[in-house]
Amino acid sequence: QVQLVQSGADVKKPGSSVKVSCKASGGTLSSYAVSWVRQAPGQGLEWMGRIIPVLGIAHYAQRFQGRVTITADKSTTTAFMELSSLRSEDTAVYYCARATGYNLPGNYFDYWGQGTLVTVSS
Amino acid sequence: QSVLTQPPSVSGAPGQRVTISCAGSSSDIGAGYDVHWYQQLPRTAPKLLIYGDTNRPSGVPDRFSGSKSGTSASLAITGLQAEDEADYYCQSYDSSLSGVVFGGGTKLTV
Repeated sequence: QVQLVQSGADVKKPGSSVKVSCKASGGTLSSYAVSWVRQAPGQGLEWMGRIIPVLGIAHYAQRFQGRVTITADKSTTTAFMELSSLRSEDTAVYYCARATGYNLPGNYFDYWGQGTLVTVSS
Repeated sequence: QSVLTQPPSVSGAPGQRVTISCAGSSSDIGAGYDVHWYQQLPRTAPKLLIYGDTNRPSGVPDRFSGSKSGTSASLAITGLQAEDEADYYCQSYDSSLSGVVFGGGTKLTV
């Protein structure tokens, strides 16, 4: 049974960057895509982008283009999401989620990480 | 403002049936892209409830069902139980945005 284990909570200053990791426990991500979804306090889910780890190909949501970078290590067990130029509105829980298959329009998320709270505050 | 529109809240008594709607457009649900549903209990990660419009993952009770017509989709929950109290989200793909989109979420009160 695959589990996605994310890095711990983080506090960042406005203007800085944060990098969150997502490690597959009990398997690899080699046959899957990994998306990042965030949830601001009391708000809904927002898709940020995704990567196909075995190919190293990333695709980003339009509103995060230029500010988010999603990568994966060559062992295809860990994915990373880095968000730059942080502002207070980026305070949220960030989730990684596994999608079966590479076809983005058909992607749905069958396993989720536990979430990582990122707080942006001066 | 979410691309997919859901009612903010719905409620029902134990044992009753409720439906949660998810309204889209010609560039997402209306274009034929699949709709998926998630349940999020307080302070936990979302859980896949329905995929590919109507399919239930293993372990999801058959009290949960999904449907789709035109530019909208619906999640139905029959035989409401107290443990169903949660937030529910629909998800699809939008060709004009070239990305995954979610509904704003619906809080179910039992």
